Amino acid sequence: QQQVKQSPQSLIVQKGGISIINCAYENTAFDYFPWYQQFPGKGPALLIAIRPDVSEKKEGRFTISFNKSAKQFSLHIMDSQPGDSATYFCAANYDDMRFGAGTRLTVKP
Amino acid sequence: EAGVAQSPRYKIIEKRQSVAFWCNPISGHATLYWYQQILGQGPKLLIQFQNNGVVDDSQLPKDRFSAERLKGVDSTLKIQPAKLEDSAVYLCASSGTNPYLYGYTFGSGTRLTVV
Repeated sequence: QQQVKQSPQSLIVQKGGISIINCAYENTAFDYFPWYQQFPGKGPALLIAIRPDVSEKKEGRFTISFNKSAKQFSLHIMDSQPGDSATYFCAANYDDMRFGAGTRLTVKP
Repeated sequence: EAGVAQSPRYKIIEKRQSVAFWCNPISGHATLYWYQQILGQGPKLLIQFQNNGVVDDSQLPKDRFSAERLKGVDSTLKIQPAKLEDSAVYLCASSGTNPYLYGYTFGSGTRLTVV
């Protein structure tokens, strides 16, 4: 079912550094690309989302960059903090939401 | 606003037994989803309801899984008989009239272990 490929599987970043997670999709019908954050024992929570008619969206320390021609999008977390340590999922939506496999981010103090 | 409620939080059963999970979505959300999340993987859609009608159940293993959403509110997902590979977290999510604005709201899930 997976139509969204996510990398890397895991990522370790020092506090204050930039975390970058990448995703690629196949289906050009997708028209909504959210990122979800999941802490252990909790369900995924919407972090930030973008539509394909814009190339970048920024909310606080979180930025989505979107490349429609390459069918790729990425999440940048600026000034990463230990509290950002979680699993991040990219997703793509048309009739339903398809999720990537997830990236486990660890931010070291 | 209350979140998506799910119960139980944990369940351990033996293979070939049956199990049921319950979900109460956010009030007013017409669309309800059940996802299966195997350890180390992203959530996989099992079934999508719009009010009390099924929109998409193409990924639901219908020989053992069933789901219903009576009266367009609460939903129940059942597995009978369970297999070892059904061990996973079962997530319920709901969305309002414009999921593009607010995305899906997920519950905390039910962790199922089949032994």
